[in-house]
Amino acid sequence: ILNVEQSPQSLHVQEGDSTNFTCSFPSSNFYALHWYRWETAKSPEALFVMTLNGDEKKKGRISATLNTKEGYSYLYIKGSQPEDSATYLCACINTDKLIFGTGTRLQVFP
Amino acid sequence: EAQVTQNPRYLITVTGKKLTVTCSQNMNHEYMSWYRQDPGLGLRQIYYSMNVEVTDKGDVPEGYKVSRKEKRNFPLILESPSPNQTSLYFCASSLLVGLEAFFGQGTRLTVV
Repeated sequence: ILNVEQSPQSLHVQEGDSTNFTCSFPSSNFYALHWYRWETAKSPEALFVMTLNGDEKKKGRISATLNTKEGYSYLYIKGSQPEDSATYLCACINTDKLIFGTGTRLQVFP
Repeated sequence: EAQVTQNPRYLITVTGKKLTVTCSQNMNHEYMSWYRQDPGLGLRQIYYSMNVEVTDKGDVPEGYKVSRKEKRNFPLILESPSPNQTSLYFCASSLLVGLEAFFGQGTRLTVV
């Protein structure tokens, strides 16, 4: 079973701080990496789908990078806001399956 | 509106009483899957389907069945629910495996 690991497990930051999380995955047979944002009492929503080594994607204050050779991806949030509070999930494709990490729970305090 | 619809949203049932959680998508997606979410374990895939009449086991298929008779529907069946199947369940679909997944609203199931 493909093992996707995320760190840290949880993070508390002050409004305005920038932060980042890590997703690690086996670099062999890489196909694609996904990042999802999951707010409490809602469903996960896709942030990024990344496939190429060196890929960088950005959506507003959130960006992500991908290193397929060493098997990691970083998610960055610049100037965190309380509405960024959520669990951030990464997922890797393993043949026909989407395998999720356990997530990083971010809380941003005003 | 493009969406994945799950029903019911909440369900409390008793051990051994068969139940079905429905999932329907209106985006003509080929790939559909079911996940369960338990504290500390993240989303684990139960079953997935690459297309109509094609289904396969995920990582935690025991105690579950699925069917894919039409492209839009992918019901999850618990023939004889047990308390260890108490969980939050999500259905998801994507155009193809590997592309962005769209999730349903979730079904919180309690088996007593």
